[in-house]
Amino acid sequence: SQQGEEDPQALSIQEGENATMNCSYKTSINNLQWYRQNSGRGLVHLILIRSNEREKHSGRLRVTLDTSKKSSSLLITASRAADTASYFCATGLNSYGGATNKLIFGTGTLLAVQP
Amino acid sequence: KAGVTQTPRYLIKTRGQQVTLSCSPISGHRSVSWYQQTPGQGLQFLFEYFSETQRNKGNFPGRFSGRQFSNSRSEMNVSTLELGDSALYLCASSRNSPEYTGELFFGEGSRLTVL
Repeated sequence: SQQGEEDPQALSIQEGENATMNCSYKTSINNLQWYRQNSGRGLVHLILIRSNEREKHSGRLRVTLDTSKKSSSLLITASRAADTASYFCATGLNSYGGATNKLIFGTGTLLAVQP
Repeated sequence: KAGVTQTPRYLIKTRGQQVTLSCSPISGHRSVSWYQQTPGQGLQFLFEYFSETQRNKGNFPGRFSGRQFSNSRSEMNVSTLELGDSALYLCASSRNSPEYTGELFFGEGSRLTVL
């Protein structure tokens, strides 16, 4: 399977703590993205990091990318109960010599933030 | 600006029937992708359309088909439904040009139950 893997599968923390999720992938990439999904709803894009970037910040989110290890991590600082959701990494592939919007999603991390 | 709209949101079918799901992308977005999400297989890419042309296709049987209209709206069809087709079907749109892969904007999904 081309699907990436995320670790841990589930994570439970207290409000105010930091949450770290890891993602490993198998193929070459142009970019890696993180998405959030609330309980069977649609996915919401959080942040995109390109293959030539090593770290990116957006608000309380920090993403790192290590292309030599084919891995990425997402850090959510000062978590809130509203951050409770599933988080997925997704890698973007090229096709036919150009870009495609096909994404390969990881297995996801279910984050529960206890108030 | 309206988001990605998927209809119907919920539907129940019986084995052997066929189903058509509809997706209206964000205005101005020309790329539409479809994903299937199940507890066992996770998020899997079905197909992608750009300017009415199928640009990429996932590893699904021929019972799964799709199309895109000149106004960028897209439909997907599943014929001869099987129990394993029960899933959340997600549509995503993007304004991306062919030169890069960017973030996808997802609809809330169509939840299909096959009895």
